[in-house]
Amino acid sequence: ILNVEQSPQSLHVQEGDSTNFTCSFPSSNFYALHWYRWETAKSPEALFVMTLNGDEKKKGRISATLNTKEGYSYLYIKGSQPEDSATYLCAPSRSNDYKLSFGAGTTVTVRA
Amino acid sequence: EADIYQTPRYLVIGTGKKITLECSQTMGHDKMYWYQQDPGMELHLIHYSYGVNSTEKGDLSSESTVSRIRTEHFPLTLESARPSHTSQYLCASSDPGGHQPQHFGDGTRLSIL
Repeated sequence: ILNVEQSPQSLHVQEGDSTNFTCSFPSSNFYALHWYRWETAKSPEALFVMTLNGDEKKKGRISATLNTKEGYSYLYIKGSQPEDSATYLCAPSRSNDYKLSFGAGTTVTVRA
Repeated sequence: EADIYQTPRYLVIGTGKKITLECSQTMGHDKMYWYQQDPGMELHLIHYSYGVNSTEKGDLSSESTVSRIRTEHFPLTLESARPSHTSQYLCASSDPGGHQPQHFGDGTRLSIL
């Protein structure tokens, strides 16, 4: 099991403000980094799968960057809306088995 | 619209009972997974399958067993439930390859009295 750290554990953001949070993982044998959004009472939903160092992905107001050499990824939410309230999970996979190791998540609460 | 289905959503049952958690997907995915999550903790992989008649144990040891007789179906069984099995169980599926996103079901919240 990889040691995956997500920080902060939770955050509150005012509607309209932007925010970001971090996923740290071991850089050795890196293969891919997955981000998922998990809303209450729903199933986790895939946001991004990133593989290349320096990669940046965007989906609407949400974007993510990846640094495979130092082992971290940032997820950004621009102009937060109440529907962005969810727990965001990151999960790296290794090149030898492709299995995902999930972090505990960052829970985002957007206040209207 | 869910393409991967888990039943039941909630189950409260007594110690010693045999339990089967169902998971089915309609996407034709070869790879399927079972994760276990305790409140506030990470998702931990307990079983996975690369295809029909393939099952492997995950990173977290589990007393449960799985089978994969059909591509679309990946049930998880506990022969004799114990309070320590109380947890949330999520099923997922994906196309082959470590860069394919996983599609999750809604989960089963299991409570053993």
